[in-house]
Amino acid sequence: EAGVTQSPTHLIKTRGQQATLRCSPISGHTSVYWYQQALGLGLQFLLWYDEGEERNRGNFPPRFSGRQFPNYSSELNVNALELEDSALYLCASSLVGQRNSPLHFGNGTRLTVT
Amino acid sequence: AQKITQTQPGMFVQEKEAVTLDCTYDTSDPSYGLFWYKQPSSGEMIFLIYQGSYDQQNATEGRYSLNFQKARKSANLVISASQLGDSAMYFCAMRPLGGNKLVFGAGTILRVKS
Repeated sequence: EAGVTQSPTHLIKTRGQQATLRCSPISGHTSVYWYQQALGLGLQFLLWYDEGEERNRGNFPPRFSGRQFPNYSSELNVNALELEDSALYLCASSLVGQRNSPLHFGNGTRLTVT
Repeated sequence: AQKITQTQPGMFVQEKEAVTLDCTYDTSDPSYGLFWYKQPSSGEMIFLIYQGSYDQQNATEGRYSLNFQKARKSANLVISASQLGDSAMYFCAMRPLGGNKLVFGAGTILRVKS
C-alpha cells in the first residue's frame, strides 16, 4: 500500500512569490491535514480537509489556503511568501471516525524563502 | 483547548539501555487519544504507539511501551533496549476522540550512544 506522497521534495521561492505544495493521501483515507514545522520547532496545525471541505484551520493568516480534490488529494497554497514561511510542510492523512486512527505523514516539502 | 508538554529538550541513552521520554497533557475532554511519533533527521514522521484514555492497560508495541497515568495526565514513552537507530526527535500528541487534528508537543531529541 502506497503511503502519503508529497511533492515537490524541495521548493525554493523568493519573498512575495506564491508556493503550491501537493499531497496524495493513502488510498481510502478521506481526511488530509497540513502541518508547518519551522526549524527546531514542533508541528503547528495549518488545515484539515475532509470530503472536499475545509473542516478546521489553525492560527495562520489567510494567505495560507488550500483545497481538496474529488480524489482526496490536496493542495496547499501560500501567497505573498515571507521569509518566516521557510519550513518543512508535512501532509498527513487518516481515516475518519476511528478514534485510534493515527495520522500517517508524508516525507514533507521543505520550502525555502529567500 | 488541549496542550502537550514535553519538558526534556534532549536526552542521551547508552545503547541497549532503556529510556523514558516524558509527556504531560492538559485537556478538559473526557475522551481522548494519545500518540507518539518518531522523526528521524530525514524528516518523515513515523507513528509509534497509541493509548486511548479509557484503555485499561498500558499500550505496548515491540520495544515501545507507554506509561499512562491518567490521574497525573502523563503519557511517558519507554523505549527498551535502545538502538543507534532510535536516535531521532520524538513527539507526543493528543487528539480528542470527537475531533480529528492532533496537537503536538515541542518534542524531545534522543541520542543513543554506542
